[in-house]
Amino acid sequence: NAGVTQTPKFQVLKTGQSMTLQCAQDMNHEYMSWYRQDPGMGLRLIHYSVGAGITDQGEVPNGYNVSRSTTEDFPLRLLSAAPSQTSVYFCASRTGQLNTGELFFGEGSRLTVL
Amino acid sequence: AQSVTQPDIHITVSEGASLELRCNYSYGATPYLFWYVQSPGQGLQLLLKYFSGDTLVQGIKGFEAEFKRSQSSFNLRKPSVHWSDAAEYFCAVGAAAAGNKLTFGGGTRVLVKP
Repeated sequence: NAGVTQTPKFQVLKTGQSMTLQCAQDMNHEYMSWYRQDPGMGLRLIHYSVGAGITDQGEVPNGYNVSRSTTEDFPLRLLSAAPSQTSVYFCASRTGQLNTGELFFGEGSRLTVL
Repeated sequence: AQSVTQPDIHITVSEGASLELRCNYSYGATPYLFWYVQSPGQGLQLLLKYFSGDTLVQGIKGFEAEFKRSQSSFNLRKPSVHWSDAAEYFCAVGAAAAGNKLTFGGGTRVLVKP
């Protein structure tokens, strides 16, 4: 059972480059989300989606775009990478509401922007 | 807005000793409360959760947590720590009224001495 799969696991970018972090889940979860993890700041919500065709902003959405064309996939796009976007990114999914479904996390994608 | 504070950034404990990790939250009503664990290079795994009812909740790996409304706290405990418990621990708060979004604390890194 694959769960939540993120690719790539590691990426180095130059300032101004664009890239897409991929996230796929095989659990038929309606809810998917992206977090970034920075030392001492825990995880901060970037964007989330409650179903195909529906996305919304989280706490730190600037510089990132998302789309949800299928239930399974929720890619995160960096349009013009900045050093401040150096971080570890986690995709997470769950079924139902917060009090009925456990949030499952991918293994993370470590991004460095030079 | 909801928020979570984990006052201890690092904790060192001897194997076999007890462990308590502190978590304080800020939210107007009774929130949903969670503890997650992150092993090095891995995603987050749910340890336990509190929604309502009994204020002492049991989780996986021998962990428990107690919800204290008067202190706005949800501290995590384990009676006897094993070397495999070395990890980073995150407290999180969410609520249906807040769009079912999870807000994480900054994390506490636990080091286990032999």
